[in-house]
Amino acid sequence: SQQGEEDPQALSIQEGENATMNCSYKTSINNLQWYRQNSGRGLVHLILIRSNEREKHSGRLRVTLDTSKKSSSLLITASRAADTASYFCATDVLGNTGFQKLVFGTGTRLLVSP
Amino acid sequence: NAGVTQTPKFRVLKTGQSMTLLCAQDMNHEYMYWYRQDPGMGLRLIHYSVGEGTTAKGEVPDGYNVSRLKKQNFLLGLESAAPSQTSVYFCASGGTGYEKLFFGSGTQLSVL
Repeated sequence: SQQGEEDPQALSIQEGENATMNCSYKTSINNLQWYRQNSGRGLVHLILIRSNEREKHSGRLRVTLDTSKKSSSLLITASRAADTASYFCATDVLGNTGFQKLVFGTGTRLLVSP
Repeated sequence: NAGVTQTPKFRVLKTGQSMTLLCAQDMNHEYMYWYRQDPGMGLRLIHYSVGEGTTAKGEVPDGYNVSRLKKQNFLLGLESAAPSQTSVYFCASGGTGYEKLFFGSGTQLSVL
């Protein structure tokens, strides 16, 4: 099963509105990351929040992390049509071989209409 | 600086055929990953490598093999392709197992 699960699976909003998507994970982590994927393209890193941080900002992005609830949220403020994409959370998981690996959630598809 | 380069970008195989996907990175990263992406399933980890000559299994390794003979290259092999392996494959690299990853543009593979 996936380490991370995003909610909602799909989100449709108007330009200028805020978009919030959530991620829940199962095991303890060193950090949590959010990525963006435009249709037909590879993923692009947006922001990383460490396990000892509770909130982080980058431009119009705000990420929160609650390690007690094993959850994170990504807020995109004043959304634009160009924000239309899929958004994924990713967490590091200790593999059976003793090495860390990065595991992704199922993603949230965001549609921002003009 | 090309980042992460995947070849080929598209491929159609018949069931039972074999092929190798190549991933190359020029950032001197230790970690390299192969993921597959299917509709509604997000990205699932196939295999990964923590350095030259070292590989490990991910969540869905069956039917795939990998090799990391050179630090900059990570190869994904399909020995006998099956229709269930129809997917988009992404390679990624990173400095450690928990820092940001850089992704290639993907390989769309269809197995008929």
